Amino acid sequence: EPEVTQTPSHQVTQMGQEVILRCVPISNHLYFYWYRQILGQKVEFLVSFYNNEISEKSEIFDDQFSVERPDGSNFTLKIRSTKLEDSAMYFCASVSRGIDTEAFFGQGTRLTVV
Amino acid sequence: AQSVAQPEDQVNVAEGNPLTVKCTYSVSGNPYLFWYVQYPNRGLQFLLKYITGDNLVKGSYGFEAEFNKSQTSFHLKKPSALVSDSALYFCAVRDRQSSASKIIFGSGTRLSIRP
Repeated sequence: EPEVTQTPSHQVTQMGQEVILRCVPISNHLYFYWYRQILGQKVEFLVSFYNNEISEKSEIFDDQFSVERPDGSNFTLKIRSTKLEDSAMYFCASVSRGIDTEAFFGQGTRLTVV
Repeated sequence: AQSVAQPEDQVNVAEGNPLTVKCTYSVSGNPYLFWYVQYPNRGLQFLLKYITGDNLVKGSYGFEAEFNKSQTSFHLKKPSALVSDSALYFCAVRDRQSSASKIIFGSGTRLSIRP
């Protein structure tokens, strides 16, 4: 069964450093998302990506965040200068087509900022 | 704005008993509703969805959910709970007003099944 894969599974970084979280969505999917979850709590929307551009972003997704789909398969989330409060689980998700289809999530990357 | 609410942070059930995890929604137009489960240190796993049709939808691992339009609810149910059902459960709605139809999650309900 196809799945969304994320790397690394755990990333520890110093405050102020840049991190790149990587995702490989399911190959024929069209919509891509990043979510984050702090300490097993609510799952928060960060950004959605469609047709090679950001279609929507939340207030969390400020200038420190960026996304890219550099080669048609990988989907990356970059945090330019990490803060302590960026520590969270980051989930990538993809959707095949329209609003009536479910999203498939990766296993997540646990980001720890020290 | 589209939203879902899960009024219970925690639900405790004895193994073999029926379980219900509650969810209410607030949407404009027809709702597209989902349930996801999260096991410890894992991603979100799709359980079931309601798009249209029968109000009772069946999903993975013996779970089902009942869509009730008059009560704006979409409660998750299982006739006989297993210890392995212990996990974090999220109700979700697709945001029809969102350009990319993002999924909006409820706050989650921790289900604990005691042997």
